[in-house]
Amino acid sequence: GAVVSQHPSWVICKSGTSVKIECRSLDFQATTMFWYRQFPKQSLMLMATSNEGSKATYEQGVEKDKFLINHASLTLSTLTVTSAHPEDSSFYICSARVQLEQYFGPGTRLTVT
Amino acid sequence: DQQVKQNSPSLSVQEGRISILNCDYTNSMFDYFLWYKKYPAEGPTFLISISSIKDKNEDGRFTVFLNKSAKHLSLHIVPSQPGDSAVYFCAASGSNFGNEKLTFGTGTRLTIIP
Repeated sequence: GAVVSQHPSWVICKSGTSVKIECRSLDFQATTMFWYRQFPKQSLMLMATSNEGSKATYEQGVEKDKFLINHASLTLSTLTVTSAHPEDSSFYICSARVQLEQYFGPGTRLTVT
Repeated sequence: DQQVKQNSPSLSVQEGRISILNCDYTNSMFDYFLWYKKYPAEGPTFLISISSIKDKNEDGRFTVFLNKSAKHLSLHIVPSQPGDSAVYFCAASGSNFGNEKLTFGTGTRLTIIP
């Protein structure tokens, strides 16, 4: 099956700093990747759709200037949380679309202190 | 507005028996449905999917049933094994280009009792 990796798997940062999370498709090319976040005991909430070579499409309520998405190649999308605050602490998961299925990365646990 | 609902937050099933997880949706534009399994602090793992042109899809121990008129789908796992203990999410999307984003349900925590 399709393999998607994320790096780092967990990160702790201080309030006000920026954090970059990478999402890679390892054995296939992905023109479309998705970024989700999950709060404890809640469902996955789509944040944005990342399209290779073009601007990301953000869901309603997601600040595009705070969550910067770059999809510079067919195998890599990055999410940068800028000026992180404790309320940004969450589990961030990316996925890549293969036909009609999405394959997910292992997730990144972000803790902002 | 929760367009995909899993009304049972948890379910316990004896090992070897059948596990049935249910999911309801409200958006008639959805025509592709997926089930994912998720362990804590990991990304979801794709299990099985079904297109709206079918009413059943089977893959090993997993079978998904779709009732379009009722806007209801279910995942059957038989026989249930201890390794099946996890949170299961159903998800729905449109199959048309530009409409592929997934809408997830709230999840059902399945516990298999040895």
